[in-house]
Amino acid sequence: KQEVTQIPAALSVPEGENLVLNCSFTDSAIYNLQWFRQDPGKGLTSLLLIQSSQREQTSGRLNASLDKSSGRSTLYIAASQPGDSATYLCAVDNFNKFYFGSGTKLNVKP
Amino acid sequence: EPEVTQTPSHQVTQMGQEVILRCVPISNHLYFYWYRQILGQKVEFLVSFYNNEISEKSEIFDDQFSVERPDGSNFTLKIRSTKLEDSAMYFCASSPQGNEQFFGPGTRLTVL
Repeated sequence: KQEVTQIPAALSVPEGENLVLNCSFTDSAIYNLQWFRQDPGKGLTSLLLIQSSQREQTSGRLNASLDKSSGRSTLYIAASQPGDSATYLCAVDNFNKFYFGSGTKLNVKP
Repeated sequence: EPEVTQTPSHQVTQMGQEVILRCVPISNHLYFYWYRQILGQKVEFLVSFYNNEISEKSEIFDDQFSVERPDGSNFTLKIRSTKLEDSAMYFCASSPQGNEQFFGPGTRLTVL
């Protein structure tokens, strides 16, 4: 069964720092990987989708990479802002079965 | 911008009662999903639905659960006889082509 792990579980940084969130998965036979943010008590907001044939995707200050062979993805956030404070989740698609990590709770201090 | 909507936002029910959670996916999306998140735990996949039938389901999605697309807009999750451990946030999601998923705000289900 697919296991998805996210490290670190929590991260606190001062505003303006660049940071990297990590996601690892045990079964590399994935269709795609998606990064989300979740604000407290709210739903999930899609950030980036990486198809299995892609190595990275970029949206604004966010860049996500995917290395299927090693079972890893990273989410890079440039010039972090207090509004980036949220829990960041990665999810892998094992051909229509989906597995989420526990998330990284990010706090960006003004 | 189109959004997935879910009703109700909070449902309280007695153990053993049936509940129906409702979702309106984004128009023109073809794939639909239900997830749950027990407080403090991971988001868990329940079921995916395409072309009016279940594509995949997890081990959680047993005979107590069912899904339906009763008309062209709604997508429902029914729990036949709720248990205390069904208390969770239930999220609906939709996808245009089975790739990027868009989530609704969730329904908090409390079973007493």
